[in-house]
Amino acid sequence: DTEVTQTPKHLVMGMTNKKSLKCEQHMGHRAMYWYKQKAKKPPELMFVYSYEKLSINESVPSRFSPECPNSSLLNLHLHALQPEDSALYLCASSQDPIGGYEQYFGPGTRLTVT
Amino acid sequence: AQTVTQSQPEMSVQEAETVTLSCTYDTSESDYYLFWYKQPPSRQMILVIRQEAYKQQNATENRFSVNFQKAAKSFSLKISDSQLGDAAMYFCAYRTMEYGNKLVFGAGTILRVKS
Repeated sequence: DTEVTQTPKHLVMGMTNKKSLKCEQHMGHRAMYWYKQKAKKPPELMFVYSYEKLSINESVPSRFSPECPNSSLLNLHLHALQPEDSALYLCASSQDPIGGYEQYFGPGTRLTVT
Repeated sequence: AQTVTQSQPEMSVQEAETVTLSCTYDTSESDYYLFWYKQPPSRQMILVIRQEAYKQQNATENRFSVNFQKAAKSFSLKISDSQLGDAAMYFCAYRTMEYGNKLVFGAGTILRVKS
């Protein structure tokens, strides 16, 4: 099984709401990633978790809060977002945080902030 | 910091023909990995092909092959016998050897396949 799943597929939230995005993989991968992707642009890395610990934060605003409850699950908690945060949020995983391992991407959550 | 440049915002190819997508990169590292990812409209991003920098032999996956020129820092993707299903955004990506397995993406090339 080489699948990364993400829920929900679509999310509409107001600027005062709190919501969470969920990502799951059952491939035994030890690295997981959150990316933000605007239309017709490449993904921008937000966070990297290595062995369930946050190893990279690409200076993401604190209104985005990642969490890795266990080796299979990655959450992204959202609070007080801005309209410019509307985008496709992609989760990915790879076997290890070092080496030439492929990153497997999920289908993404399309977020709209109103 | 590493950068990846894809100079072709859009390309078109006739079905069954061959097309080459360009990618150049800049790095001071001697060891790294290069990837081509495909993202069809409203669909999942998937890996097309991978190249290890220490390997001189160009990677090949069925109809997809690369022309890796390490000295020139060039990594182009050739798609042979193009099919309608090849229509997608293609991203060239560089993987640093630093811990964390970060991918640096190019801006992408939209490939259109004409029937």
